[in-house]
Amino acid sequence: GAGVSQSPRYKVAKRGQDVALRCDPISGHVSLFWYQQALGQGPEFLTYFQNEAQLDKSGLPSDRFFAERPEGSVSTLKIQRTQQEDSAVYLCASGRQETQYFGPGTRLLVL
Amino acid sequence: DAKTTQPPSMDCAEGRAANLPCNHSTISGNEYVYWYRQIHSQGPQYIIHGLKNNETNEMASLIITEDRKSSTLILPHATLRDTAVYYCIGSPHNFNKFYFGSGTKLNVKP
Repeated sequence: GAGVSQSPRYKVAKRGQDVALRCDPISGHVSLFWYQQALGQGPEFLTYFQNEAQLDKSGLPSDRFFAERPEGSVSTLKIQRTQQEDSAVYLCASGRQETQYFGPGTRLLVL
Repeated sequence: DAKTTQPPSMDCAEGRAANLPCNHSTISGNEYVYWYRQIHSQGPQYIIHGLKNNETNEMASLIITEDRKSSTLILPHATLRDTAVYYCIGSPHNFNKFYFGSGTKLNVKP
């Protein structure tokens, strides 16, 4: 079946611009995670949803980062006033039981 | 979540078994051992997970020591397409965030 999809796959933003990254989880998956992966490093946790409830946002690096999942399905990660240090791959994962399934990621480059 | 330690890189000849070690000496009783891999420019791919019994699926085998302080992921017949970064993660069974660490870069050579 269809896996986790993310869009756009690539995004170039000018410093100070707002961006929105979309995640379409696997149908029926209750849990949804966002991770940030800097070049050459492992993914780092940003935030977690169970259905529409954001249960953990401890990994969001600043108040410029905001995530939502209003209907418990599609999720959007928004970054306001982007900075060069926000350049990374943003990964979304969904899961139903004990396993997380990852999307291909969105590669964000802030110039 | 348990801190895991993995070698930064390993080489393996194509067709041979690849044995990837992971130390997780601080793992607690309710934490599972998960293995994921990440092929260049792709999202992490689930491989296998286990609690204390050895596990096998179509991709790999997972051997966990009796004291649960370490484990080994075994790819029985490595191919060039298995070249990737392999991550060992300790996490509770109920849904929880993963701490990936730096992983092991496996290079499968012809």
